[in-house]
Amino acid sequence: NAGVTQTPKFQVLKTGQSMTLQCAQDMNHNSMYWYRQDPGMGLRLIYYSASEGTTDKGEVPNGYNVSRLNKREFSLRLESAAPSQTSVYFCASISRGGSTDTQYFGPGTRLTVL
Amino acid sequence: GNSVTQMEGPVTLSEEAFLTINCTYTATGYPSLFWYVQYPGEGLQLLLKATKADDKGSNKGFEATYRKETTSFHLEKGSVQVSDSAVYFCALSDGSGNQFYFGTGTSLTVIP
Repeated sequence: NAGVTQTPKFQVLKTGQSMTLQCAQDMNHNSMYWYRQDPGMGLRLIYYSASEGTTDKGEVPNGYNVSRLNKREFSLRLESAAPSQTSVYFCASISRGGSTDTQYFGPGTRLTVL
Repeated sequence: GNSVTQMEGPVTLSEEAFLTINCTYTATGYPSLFWYVQYPGEGLQLLLKATKADDKGSNKGFEATYRKETTSFHLEKGSVQVSDSAVYFCALSDGSGNQFYFGTGTSLTVIP
């Protein structure tokens, strides 16, 4: 049971390049999330997918697209990277049980856009 | 709207000192409250949670009580260890359970 996995761990892009961040979970969770973490700003939600086949915008969706490929996988795409997208990106999935929900996070992708 | 405000860091304590990290929230409905911990180079891990007013979450010697009257969820530990050095995030889940809101994080360093 690997939990939530993310690839790559590190990436350097030039302005205007595109890339896709991959996320997978093996816990059979329905809901998955993409966050970005910036110094002094905590985590901000980019997009989430409440269930397979659905996606919704979070707080900071501009410049990103997502795909919920299947129940396990939720990818984040940067079509034309900008320096403002330099950040650490975390994927998470949720275990829904009882009266509350618990998020499980991947190890993160550290992205630098030059 | 929903938001979380937590104590600015960084916090530096000596081993065995008492820890408090303040967290207050604004929410509509009936949120669940969480504390997450992030060790260097890793993702966030759930530390403890509380789902309704007056609930106390606890784990690894850390505690936090859901106070609806003061909209607070302060994290406490009676005697910190060097291994507790990390960044701590307070968070809330809105009534729908679909969105989570995080504070900015508080960095804790414990020195021997």
